[in-house]
Amino acid sequence: DAGVIQSPRHEVTEMGQEVTLRCKPISGHDYLFWYRQTMMRGLELLIYFNNNVPIDDSGMPEDRFSAKMPNASFSTLKIQPSEPRDSAVYFCASSLDWGSSYEQYFGPGTRLTVT
Amino acid sequence: GDSVTQMEGPVTLSEEAFLTINCTYTATGYPSLFWYVQYPGEGLQLLLKATKADDKGSNKGFEATYRKETTSFHLEKGSVQVSDSAVYFCALSDINDYKLSFGAGTTVTVRA
Repeated sequence: DAGVIQSPRHEVTEMGQEVTLRCKPISGHDYLFWYRQTMMRGLELLIYFNNNVPIDDSGMPEDRFSAKMPNASFSTLKIQPSEPRDSAVYFCASSLDWGSSYEQYFGPGTRLTVT
Repeated sequence: GDSVTQMEGPVTLSEEAFLTINCTYTATGYPSLFWYVQYPGEGLQLLLKATKADDKGSNKGFEATYRKETTSFHLEKGSVQVSDSAVYFCALSDINDYKLSFGAGTTVTVRA
């Protein structure tokens, strides 16, 4: 299996622009997670989906952030408009099932820089 | 809510040295505990896990024991290699909370 695929790997954009990050989970996994990693705040869960349905978006920082999962093999995280403080590494992860002993598989991340 | 506290780094060691990274947790339920590792430029990957008290997780020479009495899950390796240089994250999940909570991460650098 190719693992979790994220694109782009690096994104540099100017403040005010729209940014779309993409994720393809591992085939057959029914949970998908979006995380943000920064030096100041560490690793934060933004939102997660189960069977393409958003379950908990309490970690989404502001209305500028939105996430969708139109089908089992694709998800997007959109920031509009972007701000310099959104600069971070964004990870997508997927898992096969829920249960307290499950494992999440992480993608390589998208490094976002907003200037 | 549930939380994880792990020792701050960075930690710098010589090859073949003993490594310990402390991790303690706070949880209202009965969490599962994990150690994830992040190599430079990569995403996190599961290193080991333990699902109940007194369980020992092990992988690649690393070990951690779920200690309910001390609410701890310390990571240890007896002889580290340069290839063990990475950021290590302690994490917990609680079935009632449906979230994976991570510690701040500890950067480990092993010198040849």
